[in-house]
Amino acid sequence: DTAVSQTPKYLVTQMGNDKSIKCEQNLGHDTMYWYKQDSKKFLKIMFSYNNKELIINETVPNRFSPKSPDKAHLNLHINSLELGDSAVYFCASSQDRIGRLLYTGELFFGEGSRLTVL
Amino acid sequence: AQSVTQLGSHVSVSEGALVLLRCNYSSSVPPYLFWYVQYPNQGLQLLLKYTTGATLVKGINGFEAEFKKSETSFHLTKPSAHMSDAAEYFCAVSARRGSQGNLIFGKGTKLSVKP
Repeated sequence: DTAVSQTPKYLVTQMGNDKSIKCEQNLGHDTMYWYKQDSKKFLKIMFSYNNKELIINETVPNRFSPKSPDKAHLNLHINSLELGDSAVYFCASSQDRIGRLLYTGELFFGEGSRLTVL
Repeated sequence: AQSVTQLGSHVSVSEGALVLLRCNYSSSVPPYLFWYVQYPNQGLQLLLKYTTGATLVKGINGFEAEFKKSETSFHLTKPSAHMSDAAEYFCAVSARRGSQGNLIFGKGTKLSVKP
């Protein structure tokens, strides 16, 4: 069983389109994240959700909207896609949560979703 | 504020040789330090981490790293490289509290292993 799974794995689309990436984790974790990896492999956090509540929202265009229907799912919707959005998007989860004294800092990553905007 | 610097975007070693991947960090609070590995077309997986306690930490696949506060370093080593070690390696830092898993990653070091 895949612990953190993302779909689709590959996504090719035209500028201006709207697309979504879905993520599910079966680890029972409370916190989920979206990271963006650019063409130079640089990884940067975009969002984190703790038990369906938005915790981290880095400086990301508001064309990007995360949605967490439950703590096992975190989807990413992107409106009006631009060329610069081309990247690999990674979903991750961790057992850390607000108020928890034990902080592991350990993230479990999905395999990534490679988005290409033409 | 925290940051990570990985020296060398690409390191090449021969099979059986020592692997040394360098990582220096900057943190205004006590850090948690991590090394993650990314194999081609895969997500990242944790190799090892330093939280508190023993400064020499051992991870999977024979890797280890030593936290040196005086040098603000957390270099990754392996005594003998194997072909299967070829991958991208990322050093990361986070604050011990309050960061909610907001790992700050370095830019990665690609390790190549020659036969």
